[in-house]
Order: sequence, then structure tokens, then C-alpha cells
Amino acid sequence: QSALTQPASVSGSPGQSVTVSCTGTSSDVGNYNYVSWYQHHPGKAPKLVIYDVSERPSGVSNRFSGSKSGNTASLTISGLQAEDEADYYCSSYTSSRTYVFGTGTEVTVL
Amino acid sequence: EVQLVESGGGLVQPGGSLKLSCAASGFIFSDSSMHWVRQASGKGLEWVGRIRSKSDSYATSYAASVQGRFTISRDDSKNTAYLQMDSLKTEDTAIYYCTRHNPPFDYWGQGTLVTVSS
Repeated sequence: QSALTQPASVSGSPGQSVTVSCTGTSSDVGNYNYVSWYQHHPGKAPKLVIYDVSERPSGVSNRFSGSKSGNTASLTISGLQAEDEADYYCSSYTSSRTYVFGTGTEVTVL
Repeated sequence: EVQLVESGGGLVQPGGSLKLSCAASGFIFSDSSMHWVRQASGKGLEWVGRIRSKSDSYATSYAASVQGRFTISRDDSKNTAYLQMDSLKTEDTAIYYCTRHNPPFDYWGQGTLVTVSS
């Protein structure tokens, strides 16, 4: 199972919006609405920010939103803040009954 | 408060074995599916495997990269999940995280470092 493809990095100024893409195949992202997104600060535990493509867990800022079209899912962070600077990973359930993560995207706040 | 605490990491030679533990608290562990995820230095997250609850017959599943070498188990009386790693390779060097699958992976531990080197 190959990792889902994400851009290595995206950046934006405070207050702007950034979007992180996550491209898979019809065996994972394209066939299941079990796409989730995780925020990871190095040295800390990853944190769930979006699940089931577009659902936001309790306590997560509404500045985080998710969507999916075909084999590509997306995470959008609006009103970018300094605290959003982190690595972000997507994840999907697969037809092999396993899970796969994305390659990871470093979000930088300029 | 949900807590997951991994332990058991360390330095091991190629071909050796190591057993990681994941102690859980703050939720009904016996009802939960538990997964292991790893991250090699400078790399992304990689799903390692999972064990389901007793109601799902403690079914396990593994990534192809560890199939046949790693074994996940659990002791519901101790609220602990385990990752037995055998025939370790240098490419298994990583931080290993345990995570509760609710679904999705809603709580994670801080991880434990495994280094495979001679």
C-alpha cells in the first residue's frame, strides 16, 4: 500500500487560508469516506482535526475544514494562526482493510 | 482524561526482538480497537497494525512491511496493548505510537523510540 500523496510544504501569512491536498486511489480515498487529518507538532502526540472527510471533533477550531473530490481529499485552514504551524497528515481506510497515511505536509505561517 | 503511555523502546541489534507496551486509562479499554503507528526520522506516519476488541474476536491486521515479524496483543485486565517486534531490521527504527481507534484515531500516546542498529 503506497502512502497517500501530499505536498511537502505549504505556507501562508497570518489570517490567510491554506489548503493541503491528499491524493490516493480508488482503493482508498476514492472509495471510502473514512478520510481523517492529523496535526503533528514534532515530539508531541498527533492530534485529530478532521474525520470522515469533513467532520470536526469537539474542541477543534472551526477554522479547520475538510472536503473530498474523487481520489483527492483536502484540508483547509482558514484565518491562519501561528499555532497552526505544524505537520499535517491525512489518513484513509483501504480496500485491504488496512489504513494508510499521507506523506505529510509542513504548514508554515510566514 | 484519556491517556495512552507507550514504553519499552530502546536500542536493539538487527535480527533482535523488542516488546512495546501501551498503557491506557480514561476510557473503556476493553471496548476499543487499538492501533500502532510509527514514524521514522524525517519521514511520515506509517500504519503498523491493529487489534480489535473481544467482541470482534481480537482480530489483528498488519502492514505488509511488518507482516510475519510483528505481533499485536492485548491484556484487557491490565488495560494494555502490546507490540511484539521480532526479526528487527534497521528500517524499523522509528518512534512508535499507539492510538485508540474510535474510529478514527482520536487519542494518541507520546510515542517510544526504537533504534535498530549494530
